[in-house]
Amino acid sequence: SQQGEEDPQALSIQEGENATMNCSYKTSINNLQWYRQNSGRGLVHLILIRSNEREKHSGRLRVTLDTSKKSSSLLITASRAADTASYFCATDLTSGTYKYIFGTGTRLKVLA
Amino acid sequence: SQTIHQWPATLVQPVGSPLSLECTVEGTSNPNLYWYRQAAGRGLQLLFYSVGIGQISSEVPQNLSASRPQDRQFILSSKKLLLSDSGFYLCAWSGLAGERGDTQYFGPGTRLTVL
Repeated sequence: SQQGEEDPQALSIQEGENATMNCSYKTSINNLQWYRQNSGRGLVHLILIRSNEREKHSGRLRVTLDTSKKSSSLLITASRAADTASYFCATDLTSGTYKYIFGTGTRLKVLA
Repeated sequence: SQTIHQWPATLVQPVGSPLSLECTVEGTSNPNLYWYRQAAGRGLQLLFYSVGIGQISSEVPQNLSASRPQDRQFILSSKKLLLSDSGFYLCAWSGLAGERGDTQYFGPGTRLTVL
């Protein structure tokens, strides 16, 4: 089964609304990352949050991490049509190995 | 600045034919290198990763292999392709230390269709 699983699988919102995506994982992590993928393209790194951090911001992005619940959320505020993409969380399995396990992703569609 | 290249961008191959996908990184030294496969509408499956020349770790047993003949070159190969090998193949690199070292940087991907 997946180490990281995003929820919901698909999300459709109107431009200007906020979009929230969740990620759950099973084992202890060093850090958790969020990536974005436009259709047919490679992934682009958005934000990294370490296990000792609870919240991190980057522009319109806000990421939270709850290690007790083994979950993270990505909030995109004031969404734009250009935010339409798939969003993935990635977790490392073991310290120092630099391996990451990606979730199944949330497909976000922002309607203009 | 660092850049990562993958080629070809698209590939259509018959079942049973060989495969060679290449990935190169510029602007960094001794990166960790990764090969992932993504099925349509799905997440990424880690296939191989490498922490140095000639060092390959395989994550999923299958008819694919990987090699790292040079520090910044990572090759994905198969002797005989299967229909199930179709997918979107992504190469990525990451550094070794610090926060930057934990981030993965992805290439543009190769879309492989096996017929």
